[in-house]
Amino acid sequence: TQLLEQSPQFLSIQEGENLTVYCNSSSVFSSLQWYRQEPGEGPVLLVTVVTGGEVKKLKRLTFQFGDARKDSSLHITAAQPGDTGLYLCAANSGTYKYIFGTGTRLKVLA
Amino acid sequence: NAGVTQTPKFQVLKTGQSMTLQCAQDMNHEYMSWYRQDPGMGLRLIHYSVGAGITDQGEVPNGYNVSRSTTEDFPLRLLSAAPSQTSVYFCASSYHGIGAADTQYFGPGTRLTVL
Repeated sequence: TQLLEQSPQFLSIQEGENLTVYCNSSSVFSSLQWYRQEPGEGPVLLVTVVTGGEVKKLKRLTFQFGDARKDSSLHITAAQPGDTGLYLCAANSGTYKYIFGTGTRLKVLA
Repeated sequence: NAGVTQTPKFQVLKTGQSMTLQCAQDMNHEYMSWYRQDPGMGLRLIHYSVGAGITDQGEVPNGYNVSRSTTEDFPLRLLSAAPSQTSVYFCASSYHGIGAADTQYFGPGTRLTVL
């Protein structure tokens, strides 16, 4: 069974701080996605990474795919209260089945 | 475009009752899927479909049935509800269901409680 483990599970920080969340697996994936989910809503796609070592930036968010395509990280610079939410990674190994990580719940305090 | 819609938003069932969760999309997506989300467990795939008339099992299919008679609709049926099926259910759709360019769009979810 393929698993995606995310760490940390919970993170509470002050506005303006930086943070990194991780998504790790023992399996190789053809692509990996990051989603953000707000309370009472479905997840919304932030980014897809495909190439080993790839780095993508979305404003204050930086996403990296590991060289071996087994892990990924999400770095947020100068966090804001609007970044609060559940961050999920998801992967597809080339089949029609996506697997999701357990999520990192982030709270940014003003 | 309404995107992905789900009904109902909330539902309470008694053990043994059956019900159907509705999901519809207006984006002409071939791929549709159902997930359940439980605390600390992320989203787990229940069933998916790659087109009208084609369905397959995901990670946790037991106790659930699906069918896909049209491109737009993908209902999820609970045959005999059990307390272990208390969860939040999400429907999602995408163009192909595979490939790096594929983006899944999620509905707002149905919160189900089984007593």
